[in-house]
Amino acid sequence: DQQVKQNSPSLSVQEGRISILNCDYTNSMFDYFLWYKKYPAEGPTFLISISSIKDKNEDGRFTVFLNKSAKHLSLHIVPSQPGDSAVYFCAASDNAGGTSYGKLTFGQGTILTVHP
Amino acid sequence: EAGVTQFPSHSVIEKGQTVTLRCDPISGHDNLYWYRRVMGKEIKFLLHFVKESKQDESGMPNNRFLAERTGGTYSTLKVQPAELEDSGVYFCASSLLLAGKGYEQYFGPGTRLTVT
Repeated sequence: DQQVKQNSPSLSVQEGRISILNCDYTNSMFDYFLWYKKYPAEGPTFLISISSIKDKNEDGRFTVFLNKSAKHLSLHIVPSQPGDSAVYFCAASDNAGGTSYGKLTFGQGTILTVHP
Repeated sequence: EAGVTQFPSHSVIEKGQTVTLRCDPISGHDNLYWYRRVMGKEIKFLLHFVKESKQDESGMPNNRFLAERTGGTYSTLKVQPAELEDSGVYFCASSLLLAGKGYEQYFGPGTRLTVT
């Protein structure tokens, strides 16, 4: 039962253009969403996050959009750079608050390749 | 500030043998998590410690896996006896026990376990 899905295994983009990575989820109890970037032989690196009470969060070249009614989120990278080439994971948490934060549920990842 | 560290980086063992993985979280992070990624698929949750207590071990595959976090600092994950399907990359992550910040989990580089 895949609660978080990234349906595009890979994405190829030209340098300077926009990269859009998509993620769908099924569990309506998820209250926080995160994007991680992963290079080969390294652990996932936290990139950007969004609370379920918001619909947009921006950090430099990275913007995450959340559509709760559609249970869909996306990560926009503008402009894309060759150094952005990595695997991008969408993750979600269903912890309802407090300070004992629970597990993250991950999607399968999308391989982003940015061509010079 | 030192990140999450894991040891060893790679382990090759034979079926039936025992392996112990170690994770040192970021100093001050009371939340500690173990995850596993098998065959390039999604990253799956194994268990969650808050300080030295197991908060959630719902992702542990079976009783061949034993995790400990004595003293609430570093953690070990022992697989005994190892089976072929245990092969994969084991990630450790940590986060603050602090409202609003605990969602952001910081990952180590992982231990690649190969069971032959």
